[in-house]
Amino acid sequence: TQLLEQSPQFLSIQEGENLTVYCNSSSVFSSLQWYRQEPGEGPVLLVTVVTGGEVKKLKRLTFQFGDARKDSSLHITAAQPGDTGLYLCAGVRGSYIPTFGRGTSLIVHP
Amino acid sequence: DAGITQSPRHKVTETGTPVTLRCHQTENHRYMYWYRQDPGHGLRLIHYSYGVKDTDKGEVSDGYSVSRSKTEDFLLTLESATSSQTSVYFCAISGTVVGADTQYFGPGTRLTVL
Repeated sequence: TQLLEQSPQFLSIQEGENLTVYCNSSSVFSSLQWYRQEPGEGPVLLVTVVTGGEVKKLKRLTFQFGDARKDSSLHITAAQPGDTGLYLCAGVRGSYIPTFGRGTSLIVHP
Repeated sequence: DAGITQSPRHKVTETGTPVTLRCHQTENHRYMYWYRQDPGHGLRLIHYSYGVKDTDKGEVSDGYSVSRSKTEDFLLTLESATSSQTSVYFCAISGTVVGADTQYFGPGTRLTVL
């Protein structure tokens, strides 16, 4: 059983469209992280959210942590080809070792 | 970019042979991690270290061992490689506990076991 469920698994959109990626769990996390991974490289941290209900913005990316700290979403406005990549969420609990979701593979076509 | 290197970057080996992957950091970070990444499974933790000679098992540790004799090096060993260990292996480091600090990943090692 996957502790963190990400959806959708794959997303193929046109440049300029908006999209939302979801990360859901039945467990409570002390913090939740979002990473982006490009082909042939390791994941790179985008953001860490720690407070229930917290919203963080990173240019065209908006991250939200659920009030109960069990879920999170990543919204991209006006997607660009440079946003193409694998988006991973990772939940951190008491052991401080993160648990990763399976990822959402995003392709943005010019 | 955080100073993390992995070697080798690519390796092809045969079933039953021992394999050692190396992770080297120049950041003097305390925590180091080994993950494997497979399609449909995301990143799964194999082993991690919280200091020199201090290591612990992760989610998928069977068939793997690790050693950390120096702060900067974390070795992952497959004692007798199997085809199920074909994967991309990532090393990561963090200065403090992950929830409070950024986890930096290396470039990965692609291992194929024939």
